[in-house]
Amino acid sequence: DAGVTQSPTHLIKTRGQQVTLRCSPISGHKSVSWYQQVLGQGPQFIFQYYEKEERGRGNFPDRFSARQFPNYSSELNVNALLLGDSALYLCASSLDRNNSPLHFGNGTRLTVT
Amino acid sequence: QKEVEQDPGPLSVPEGAIVSLNCTYSNSAFQYFMWYRQYSRKGPELLMYTYSSGNKEDGRFTAQVDKSSKYISLFIRDSQPSDSATYLCALEETSGSRLTFGEGTQLTVNP
Repeated sequence: DAGVTQSPTHLIKTRGQQVTLRCSPISGHKSVSWYQQVLGQGPQFIFQYYEKEERGRGNFPDRFSARQFPNYSSELNVNALLLGDSALYLCASSLDRNNSPLHFGNGTRLTVT
Repeated sequence: QKEVEQDPGPLSVPEGAIVSLNCTYSNSAFQYFMWYRQYSRKGPELLMYTYSSGNKEDGRFTAQVDKSSKYISLFIRDSQPSDSATYLCALEETSGSRLTFGEGTQLTVNP
């Protein structure tokens, strides 16, 4: 079975630009979460979506937004990029909303110059 | 104070050694405990998922949870060079929808 797939794998953007990252969950998983991982640190929670609704949001500015589609895939959007947004963006899927093991994709490496 | 504390290492051991990785936490609401392994340029891979206090074993890996001390551990027996990676502890509240991660311990197993 295919795991969580993310695209693109790498991305270079300029400050002030906007970016969209994409995620396809494991088949049968209804929950998708997004995490930001800065080099040398653990992942930080950004969003969780379950059944196409936002179920949780981390401490990130409104420049970050996301959505989940009827097929449970998801997009993360970041507007007005800052240098500090450079990070590995991880998508994870799980069967249920709460207390269900998260399975991560390999992430999108975003570099903002 | 961080909710989850994890020694970042780096930790370097010879092949065959027993490795002990640890995290402490301050939030009593954490009830689910996970260990992930992350290779360079890859996403975290789930190794262990536990709920109750005590030990859970899976092959060469043993996860230990002590809720009274707010302390969790991962033991790796007969460590192999292929175990060289960053190990992340992750915790979740019962009613939560998010994981709180430690900052990861970088492990190198030398042949």
